[in-house]
Amino acid sequence: NAGVMQNPRHLVRRRGQEARLRCSPMKGHSHVYWYRQLPEEGLKFMVYLQKENIIDESGMPKERFSAEFPKEGPSILRIQQVVRGDSAAYFCASSRRTGMGETQYFGPGTRLLVL
Amino acid sequence: GENVEQHPSTLSVQEGDSAVIKCTYSDSASNYFPWYKQELGKRPQLIIDIRSNVGEKKDQRIAVTLNKTAKHFSLHITETQPEDSAVYFCAASTGANSKLTFGKGITLSVRP
Repeated sequence: NAGVMQNPRHLVRRRGQEARLRCSPMKGHSHVYWYRQLPEEGLKFMVYLQKENIIDESGMPKERFSAEFPKEGPSILRIQQVVRGDSAAYFCASSRRTGMGETQYFGPGTRLLVL
Repeated sequence: GENVEQHPSTLSVQEGDSAVIKCTYSDSASNYFPWYKQELGKRPQLIIDIRSNVGEKKDQRIAVTLNKTAKHFSLHITETQPEDSAVYFCAASTGANSKLTFGKGITLSVRP
């Protein structure tokens, strides 16, 4: 049973380019969460999605960032016109369902470096 | 919104000793408290969690306690080993949409 998959594992972009991060949840999981981790910091919630729906995007910057989880295929976190401050590790997590105490399993992360 | 704080930020113990890491939270509606271990360059991995309907949970050398009145919960690691060295994150969730609010993490170093 494969765990949460993320690709690419490392991504280098120049300022102004676009970054696309992909996340495939564990088999049987329909809930996906994206978190951002800055160096020496904890993980910060960005967005929570179910298939074809954004449930909570309260942690996501209003501009340049968007996320989707289509009916088929992985969830995608898209960052347009990247800036150096976007450099971070981006983790996605998945769970079977939502509600009290539902375990979230994390992927290996995508480390984005903006030059 | 929820705010989770972790103390101390670093902890060094001798192999075989116990380690205790404490977290406080602000939202009394939080009812789920997981602990994650993250090794350098790796993904966070769940090591133990506790729900608000229990006060303590144990799994081999690891235990977690929860005090809902004081709004704090603690991770206890007994008989520490060098492979316990990592960053440990506590988190809290209200369960409404299950998003986790994390503390900043503590770096645990176990000296051989």
